[in-house]
Amino acid sequence: EVQLVESGGGLVQPGGSLRLSCATSGFTFSSSWMHWVRQAPGKGLVWVSRIKSDGSITSYADSVKGRFTISRDNAKNTLYLQMNSLRAEDTAVYYCGPQGHYAFDIWGQGTMVTVSS
Amino acid sequence: QSALTQPPSVSGSPGQSVTISCTGASSDVGSYNRVSWYQQPPGTAPKLMIYEVTNRPSGVPDRFSGSKSGNTASLTISGLQAEDEADYYCSSYTSNSTFVFGTGTKVTVL
Repeated sequence: EVQLVESGGGLVQPGGSLRLSCATSGFTFSSSWMHWVRQAPGKGLVWVSRIKSDGSITSYADSVKGRFTISRDNAKNTLYLQMNSLRAEDTAVYYCGPQGHYAFDIWGQGTMVTVSS
Repeated sequence: QSALTQPPSVSGSPGQSVTISCTGASSDVGSYNRVSWYQQPPGTAPKLMIYEVTNRPSGVPDRFSGSKSGNTASLTISGLQAEDEADYYCSSYTSNSTFVFGTGTKVTVL
């Protein structure tokens, strides 16, 4: 059974940092491009970042470029998102997932990040 | 990286067909057959319904179909059912090696 478990969310002050984790099982993590997607409360889906299977290539949305860093540990089947200089507009549920056929075919339940003073 | 444009809402009676449009640009929808569609009922995670414009993952009813013409992709739900009521999002790969989602469409079954 495929499982994605996001963690690390919580309440943080503007300008603060958080590190999200995504523990995976049930599929070949080390062969998969992986992504982060977020959804602000009551709003739509927004693509955030992706990383190649071996970690050699990363991409970011303009809104997070220079502040967020995606990484992975293939030995632990775990994906990470280091988020620095957080802003109120980063408040959202963050989902991780693998890429298949240039689509997001498996979704976890997400982890909530709230940026507020 | 502007969001792809979708109508805010569409509605139909049970058994009818509805179509949701997803308009992008030559740098995303128009350049790649890498458009996907997602269904998201309230309070749940999204679910992949269509990938690479026209392909359905295993388990998705054949009532759901996708197409593309130029810079606009479309999702059609035929034989609308009460369980289809949800938010729907399109997504496309882009020339910047990134992805972009649509603005989202609420489907209401009357």
